[in-house]
Amino acid sequence: DAGVTQSPTHLIKTRGQQVTLRCSPKSGHDTVSWYQQALGQGPQFIFQYYEEEERQRGNFPDRFSGHQFPNYSSELNVNALLLGDSALYLCASSSLLQTRGEQYFGPGTRLTVT
Amino acid sequence: QKEVEQNSGPLSVPEGAIASLNCTYSDRVSQSFFWYRQYSGKSPELIMSIYSNGDKEDGRFTAQLNKASQYVSLLIRDSQPSDSATYLCAALFSGGYNKLIFGAGTRLAVHP
Repeated sequence: DAGVTQSPTHLIKTRGQQVTLRCSPKSGHDTVSWYQQALGQGPQFIFQYYEEEERQRGNFPDRFSGHQFPNYSSELNVNALLLGDSALYLCASSSLLQTRGEQYFGPGTRLTVT
Repeated sequence: QKEVEQNSGPLSVPEGAIASLNCTYSDRVSQSFFWYRQYSGKSPELIMSIYSNGDKEDGRFTAQLNKASQYVSLLIRDSQPSDSATYLCAALFSGGYNKLIFGAGTRLAVHP
């Protein structure tokens, strides 16, 4: 049973560029949530996708956008990158109807903006 | 008050001792709580969940929930150097949608 997968593992971008991160949830899961984790902090909720729609959004600007595909995989897009966007981006997989809130994280994508 | 708060540590315990990690929460979170373990440079790993008042045990780990005092704790018995990591306390946001709110994490160091 494959766990949550994310790609790429690491990414280096320049200020002003755009980036796309990808996530595939665990088998049987239908919900994908994205989190940003700055160094020394806990993960911060960006948004959540279910049935190909954004269900809820955290306090992140519109530069952060996403998408969910029919196979439940998801993408996170960040436009006009800022130095402050450097962080570990985590995808969390869950089943909306079958759990009591447990979310399982992928290995993350380390984004460095220079 | 932050929704979920943890002491950042580091908490240093000798090998074989009991490590006690604590977390307090506000009224803005629901009654579902989770403990994640995060090794340096890795992603968080779910190790315990607790929903009801009282204790829940799983191997060397015990999670405790006290709703009256609004705190959650994680006890690690017979601590091992391999338990050295950052432990993140998370709560489900009371507004629904499976949004997790995390504390900043407590760094645990188990020394031989």
